[in-house]
Amino acid sequence: NAGVTQTPKFRVLKTGQSMTLLCAQDMNHEYMYWYRQDPGMGLRLIHYSVGEGTTAKGEVPDGYNVSRLKKQNFLLGLESAAPSQTSVYFCASSYPLRTQYFGPGTRLLVL
Amino acid sequence: GQQLNQSPQSMFIQEGEDVSMNCTSSSIFNTWLWYKQDPGEGPVLLIALYKAGELTSNGRLTAQFGITRKDSFLNISASIPSDVGIYFCAGGSGGSQGNLIFGKGTKLSVKP
Repeated sequence: NAGVTQTPKFRVLKTGQSMTLLCAQDMNHEYMYWYRQDPGMGLRLIHYSVGEGTTAKGEVPDGYNVSRLKKQNFLLGLESAAPSQTSVYFCASSYPLRTQYFGPGTRLLVL
Repeated sequence: GQQLNQSPQSMFIQEGEDVSMNCTSSSIFNTWLWYKQDPGEGPVLLIALYKAGELTSNGRLTAQFGITRKDSFLNISASIPSDVGIYFCAGGSGGSQGNLIFGKGTKLSVKP
């Protein structure tokens, strides 16, 4: 039982490049979330999904897109990366209205 | 929007001392969670609280869900070096999305 896994662990992008972060969970959770963590800012919700085929915006959605084609996977896309998107990205999953379990994070540097 | 005020921002204590941190909000929450994050890792759940007034322990950790539903505290007794890390509180207001609002964290340093 791996829990929540994230791919890749670390990535460097140039401004304007695109990339997709992958989150996978094997706990059969309905809900999945993408957060970004910046120094002194805590965790801020980017997008979330309450089930396969559904997505919704969180607190800071601009510049990101998501897809939940399979229940166990939640993808976060950056179409045109900007330096302001340099951050650590965390995925989480949960049963409805219960505790969220986090992945190990993806560190993204945009030059 | 909803905000959580977590304090203190950082603590530097001697091994063996007790630690106390808290989160307050002007909004009511239905759930309070406490997470710990080690360097380079994701947050790991320590304690989950689902009822106002609830007091829950997990080893040396004790957390309470405030009776007003606007605050929560976490105590760590007899701290040890591996307690070092950043502690986050998170409040859940329910609703269909189950979103959490996170505090900005308390950074704990323990001197052996």
